[in-house]
Amino acid sequence: QKEVEQDPGPLSVPEGAIVSLNCTYSNSAFQYFMWYRQYSRKGPELLMYTYSSGNKEDGRFTAQVDKSSKYISLFIRDSQPSDSATYLCAMGTGGFKTIFGAGTRLFVKA
Amino acid sequence: GAVVSQHPSRVICKSGTSVKIECRSLDFQATTMFWYRQFPKKSLMLMATSNEGSKATYEQGVEKDKFLINHASLTLSTLTVTSAHPEDSSFYICSASTTPPDGNTIYFGEGSWLTVV
Repeated sequence: QKEVEQDPGPLSVPEGAIVSLNCTYSNSAFQYFMWYRQYSRKGPELLMYTYSSGNKEDGRFTAQVDKSSKYISLFIRDSQPSDSATYLCAMGTGGFKTIFGAGTRLFVKA
Repeated sequence: GAVVSQHPSRVICKSGTSVKIECRSLDFQATTMFWYRQFPKKSLMLMATSNEGSKATYEQGVEKDKFLINHASLTLSTLTVTSAHPEDSSFYICSASTTPPDGNTIYFGEGSWLTVV
């Protein structure tokens, strides 16, 4: 079993839809949870960072962490074509080893 | 947010030659940097963890004599692909890790496209 599972998609939604991206994990020691956005042929860009359980909101993006279920989510409200990218979840224990999900490809259609 | 710069963004080299890619943390000191390889439409593959002042730790299956990593300062790590072959053509990305209070947040460089002809 992989430490982090993420559906690679692709996920296709119409413009304006609410997008839900998810990852599950097996290591209960993970405390830091991150979401990255990667456009084609570019390096990943940090979108959201959360520590432990709970929600964090930044503009149209909301990150949720449910440590009891070992499940994290990223919600994108009012999705735009410019949100079309690959979204990677990542998590770590507090050391320098970070585990990445495989990435979910998202397409937002105008 | 923290900025990581990677250079060059694109490089073409002849088979058998060596090419060096630089990764710099511009506004923070990074004791640890990471090097990844990514094939088209695939996820990041961690190649090695680079620690300032010590030898890099390579992931299983990565040839340390082929992919030379040097982390000479707290802001610079370099990856040298030696005796490059066409199968080494790929997207190489570096990242640097901040220290608390950001925990182990990782910031990525823009990536370097290597084409070996």
